[in-house]
Amino acid sequence: NAGVTQTPKFQVLKTGQSMTLQCAQDMNHEYMSWYRQDPGMGLRLIHYSVGAGITDQGEVPNGYNVSRSTTEDFPLRLLSAAPSQTSVYFCASSYRDRGFYEQYFGPGTRLTVT
Amino acid sequence: GQQLNQSPQSMFIQEGEDVSMNCTSSSIFNTWLWYKQDPGEGPVLLIALYKAGELTSNGRLTAQFGITRKDSFLNISASIPSDVGIYFCAGRYHTGANSKLTFGKGITLSVRP
Repeated sequence: NAGVTQTPKFQVLKTGQSMTLQCAQDMNHEYMSWYRQDPGMGLRLIHYSVGAGITDQGEVPNGYNVSRSTTEDFPLRLLSAAPSQTSVYFCASSYRDRGFYEQYFGPGTRLTVT
Repeated sequence: GQQLNQSPQSMFIQEGEDVSMNCTSSSIFNTWLWYKQDPGEGPVLLIALYKAGELTSNGRLTAQFGITRKDSFLNISASIPSDVGIYFCAGRYHTGANSKLTFGKGITLSVRP
């Protein structure tokens, strides 16, 4: 199993550009989440999904869109990048009977918006 | 919303020493978890606690779910250089399967050889 994979590992965007951060898992996990990590802020939930076709907002959803067309993939779209979105983004997944707690995290995407 | 407090932000210890980290909240949590994040990597789950008073060990790590359900601690015994990293506590407030995790801000641990 590859676990949770994220691409790209690093990205630099200019203000106003759009892009999609990719996340995939091969563990057949029902639940998937996106977090952002900023210095001194811990992990904050952006969006999450409890299964294919179902998504919902987390703590900091503004400026981001998600979709879940398959169990394996959960891409995060930045519609119009802003410097405030400079951060490290983590995707996580877990089994339904483990809710959101026993989550497996990907290695992260380090995004800089200039 | 619920907040988890971890302090200090950084800890510096000597190799071989034991270290204890606390996580506190003004609200009751029903699940406590401890994660470790190595530099440049995603967090990895160390220990999960599901019942008040529960004490769980994982090798040199021991964690406890506080009896008031408002705190948890993590102990690392006989520290080694690879213990370096950021340690996050996380809690789940609601009991439903769809409830989300709240994360603390993390404690950065440095181990001097």
